Amino acid sequence: KQEVTQIPAALSVPEGENLVLNCSFTDSAIYNLQWFRQDPGKGLTSLLLIQSSQREQTSGRLNASLDKSSGRSTLYIAASQPGDSATYLCAVPPAAGNKLTFGGGTRVLVKP
Amino acid sequence: DTEVTQTPKHLVMGMTNKKSLKCEQHMGHRAMYWYKQKAKKPPELMFVYSYEKLSINESVPSRFSPECPNSSLLNLHLHALQPEDSALYLCASSQGMETEQYFGPGTRLTVT
Repeated sequence: KQEVTQIPAALSVPEGENLVLNCSFTDSAIYNLQWFRQDPGKGLTSLLLIQSSQREQTSGRLNASLDKSSGRSTLYIAASQPGDSATYLCAVPPAAGNKLTFGGGTRVLVKP
Repeated sequence: DTEVTQTPKHLVMGMTNKKSLKCEQHMGHRAMYWYKQKAKKPPELMFVYSYEKLSINESVPSRFSPECPNSSLLNLHLHALQPEDSALYLCASSQGMETEQYFGPGTRLTVT
């Protein structure tokens, strides 16, 4: 059974600092990995999706890496801003099927 | 347009009421999902529809009844709910199996 872990559970940084968010998974037979952002009481916003054949995916200040062999993905957010404060979740579907397994999330606070 | 819409935004219902949650997408996606999310927890999958047919039911109690009238619409019918069913209910859609999921803003349900 796939297990997805995100450490730390919470993170507080001053504005301008780079954010590094970690996601680990136990079964490397994944089809892709998706990073989401969630603001309190709101739905999930898809940030990046990395296919299992990719090592990296970039969108603006966001960069996500994927190392299937070690079961890890990292989301980097450059030059953090207070508006980046949110919970960030990673999720993986199994190689067959479309059921996402989510990590517990990392709550990020960027202080002005 | 990558929008998934959900109505209502908020719903308060008694344990004897019958209500429905609605979800709509116009992206031509063929897979649609219902998730339940409790406070400070990741979303939990409830149901998956693929090509308007129920493909996954995560052993959800029968007081939750999904319906997919057409490829753009997904309903969740609620009956005789319990207070512990109070949560944020999220709808999502994707092009197909193992592709990027897009989430709606959710319906905040309170059962009294």
